[in-house]
Amino acid sequence: GAVVSQHPSRVICKSGTSVKIECRSLDFQATTMFWYRQFPKQSLMLMATSNEGSKATYEQGVEKDKFLINHASLTLSTLTVTSAHPEDSSFYICSAWKNTDTQYFGPGTRLTVL
Amino acid sequence: SQQGEEDPQALSIQEGENATMNCSYKTSINNLQWYRQNSGRGLVHLILIRSNEREKHSGRLRVTLDTSKKSSSLLITASRAADTASYFCATEGASGSRLTFGEGTQLTVNP
Repeated sequence: GAVVSQHPSRVICKSGTSVKIECRSLDFQATTMFWYRQFPKQSLMLMATSNEGSKATYEQGVEKDKFLINHASLTLSTLTVTSAHPEDSSFYICSAWKNTDTQYFGPGTRLTVL
Repeated sequence: SQQGEEDPQALSIQEGENATMNCSYKTSINNLQWYRQNSGRGLVHLILIRSNEREKHSGRLRVTLDTSKKSSSLLITASRAADTASYFCATEGASGSRLTFGEGTQLTVNP
């Protein structure tokens, strides 16, 4: 199966700082990657769809200036949480689409904002 | 908001018993997928069933899809303690690729 990695797996930061999360497809090229957020004991909420070489498409209610997404290559998408606040603390998960029916999910990044 | 609803929200059974989880959705779909998530971890893809399929098997997993009722079920037979996890259904809409997740079922299998 396809492998997707995320880095870092866990990050703790102070309020007001920016945090960058990387999502890489290790053994395939992904023209489309997705970013999800998951609060404790809740389901995954799609934040945005990231297409290589073009601007990301954000879901309703997700601030594009706060959650910056860059899909610079076919194997890397980054999510930057700008000026993070405690309410941004969550589990962020990316997935990569391989032009098949299946999305391959990364292991997730636990963000804690103090 | 999520279009998928799952029931039960939580299910606790003994090892060896079967576990059944249900998922309902609202719009037309290309396919429906089931995922498993261990606490604090990423998602593991379990099985995909297309809109023109009614039933699919994979090992101890059996998935059914009723598009007229917009519902699906996941059956895990002969459960094991290692099956303890959260299970999510996700639908891929007619426009493709984008997944919408259900609320999930927390399954606990007691040894």
